[in-house]
Amino acid sequence: EAEVAQSPRYKITEKSQAVAFWCDPISGHATLYWYRQILGQGPELLVQFQDESVVDDSQLPKDRFSAERLKGVDSTLKIQPAELGDSAMYLCASSPRQGRGYTFGSGTRLTVV
Amino acid sequence: DQQVKQNSPSLSVQEGRISILNCDYTNSMFDYFLWYKKYPAEGPTFLISISSIKDKNEDGRFTVFLNKSAKHLSLHIVPSQPGDSAVYFCAANTNFGNEKLTFGTGTRLTIIP
Repeated sequence: EAEVAQSPRYKITEKSQAVAFWCDPISGHATLYWYRQILGQGPELLVQFQDESVVDDSQLPKDRFSAERLKGVDSTLKIQPAELGDSAMYLCASSPRQGRGYTFGSGTRLTVV
Repeated sequence: DQQVKQNSPSLSVQEGRISILNCDYTNSMFDYFLWYKKYPAEGPTFLISISSIKDKNEDGRFTVFLNKSAKHLSLHIVPSQPGDSAVYFCAANTNFGNEKLTFGTGTRLTIIP
């Protein structure tokens, strides 16, 4: 069964350091999403890509967060500098251009100390 | 502005009995609703969905009911099994599944053996 791959699974970083997460969506899926889930809350969308273009980054804290999907395939989410409040699960998901099929990866658990 | 609400943070049910998880929404533009199950340190996994043109969808032990006039949906699990213990998220979106998901805050279901 096709999966959304994410790495690393866990990351501990000191505040003010830079951190990056990687996501490889299901092959052929045109749309890629990055969500953040803070403990005790539901996932919230940070950024949505259609192919290599950003279609929604309204909830992305752009002063410290950046995301790219240069060739319309895999994607990187970066935080610089990390803050204590960034501790959360970062989830990547993808969906096809047509039809249904919204699949999440296993996530990256970030702890900022 | 919480557009999808799960008002019960936790629920305990005896093994073999029915589990009923509830979800309310406020945005009348939502036309597709999904339930996800999440174990700790893993990404959400899709359980079942329903479009706004239906009022019921069934898949094995899982049934989702949609009451559009009340803007309410529920997930029924029967019979409940110990492996069902997890956090359940209700989510909604438009365009029948290929746009960003808006999640509720989740309900932690514990099945008591």
